[in-house]
Amino acid sequence: ETGVTQSPTHLIKTRGQQVTLRCSSQSGHNTVSWYQQALGQGPQFIFQYYREEENGRGNFPPRFSGLQFPNYSSELNVNALELDDSALYLCASSSGLAGNTGELFFGEGSRLTVL
Amino acid sequence: AQSVTQPDIHITVSEGASLELRCNYSYGATPYLFWYVQSPGQGLQLLLKYFSGDTLVQGIKGFEAEFKRSQSSFNLRKPSVHWSDAAEYFCAVLPLGAAGNKLTFGGGTRVLVKP
Repeated sequence: ETGVTQSPTHLIKTRGQQVTLRCSSQSGHNTVSWYQQALGQGPQFIFQYYREEENGRGNFPPRFSGLQFPNYSSELNVNALELDDSALYLCASSSGLAGNTGELFFGEGSRLTVL
Repeated sequence: AQSVTQPDIHITVSEGASLELRCNYSYGATPYLFWYVQSPGQGLQLLLKYFSGDTLVQGIKGFEAEFKRSQSSFNLRKPSVHWSDAAEYFCAVLPLGAAGNKLTFGGGTRVLVKP
């Protein structure tokens, strides 16, 4: 069983640039969630995709957007990067909406540094 | 305001000693409750969860947690800590009626294990 994989693992961008982060969900999982984890803090929910549609969003501006593909992989796009966007971005997959079980399978994350 | 609090930012414990990590939540109705662990270079892993029923929950890696409604707490315990338990631990909640995977995490407690 293949786990959740994310790419790239590390990247550096400058303010105003755009970034795309990628996630391959665990085999058999059709729901993907994205979280932002700033240094020294707990993860914060960005949004969730189920069957290629956004299904729930946290308190993040529209410049954070995403996609889910037919194979259930996903992208997180962030436009007009700001310094505060520097963080570890975590992708998590689950089967269906997991019946609200909260059992998410996380990738190791993509660490974004904005200079 | 709804919140999840982990009062202890860091805890140092000797190998073989017991460990207790605190978690308090503030929600109108008891949410679903979780503990996740984040080891260096690894993604978040679910240790245990509480939905209803028995207030003492057993998890993986020898961890258990006790739900106390009167104290709005869900503390994590381990009777005898191993060096491999050094990691960051996050308490998380899923409010009733929230989007399937919109977990709210506490700020985390970093555990250091002394030989």
